[in-house]
Amino acid sequence: RKEVEQDPGPFNVPEGATVAFNCTYSNSASQSFFWYRQDCRKEPKLLMSVYSSGNEDGRFTAQLNRASQYISLLIRDSKLSDSATYLCVVNNNFNKFYFGSGTKLNVKP
Amino acid sequence: DTEVTQTPKHLVMGMTNKKSLKCEQHMGHRAMYWYKQKAKKPPELMFVYSYEKLSINESVPSRFSPECPNSSLLNLHLHALQPEDSALYLCASSQEGLGASNYGYTFGSGTRLTVV
Repeated sequence: RKEVEQDPGPFNVPEGATVAFNCTYSNSASQSFFWYRQDCRKEPKLLMSVYSSGNEDGRFTAQLNRASQYISLLIRDSKLSDSATYLCVVNNNFNKFYFGSGTKLNVKP
Repeated sequence: DTEVTQTPKHLVMGMTNKKSLKCEQHMGHRAMYWYKQKAKKPPELMFVYSYEKLSINESVPSRFSPECPNSSLLNLHLHALQPEDSALYLCASSQEGLGASNYGYTFGSGTRLTVV
């Protein structure tokens, strides 16, 4: 079983829509969680950490459900510039991070 | 702009060549990483250095040889590569230990390697 699993998409949504991605992880002892964004042919960039109480950064909301072992990312009022691949990242052992396969988002005019 | 600098940005090499990828960061991070990413796949961990010592080698073939000369620099020496080694090679850095857990990685922009 993979450490981290994501729906690869693509999710095709119109501008202004709300879209949510989930990611499941297999290790109940996982310590920390992140969402990264990767544009085509670019490096991954940290979008936000995910905290147990849930956290928000502008139009983006991240949530963690430890009981069900999943994290989620909600994007409100989607912009064309949100089009990218969103990578779920789970940290089990300090310096060792596990990446999901990524979820591709296409925001269309 | 990224705070982790990788050179070169693009590299084409023959299967008998020897080349090196370089990575530099000045954020005071004491953990540095090499990842390999193929098209439409997530990054795959290759090596982790912690306080300039190799702490994780993910069973990478010996034709890839990492080196950490000091806390700011990380090299990846390449020799006798195969065409299937063509990929984007990403360097990353983080605070060490609990800091990595709290703050995640910062990636460089990568070296796009083509082996011919």
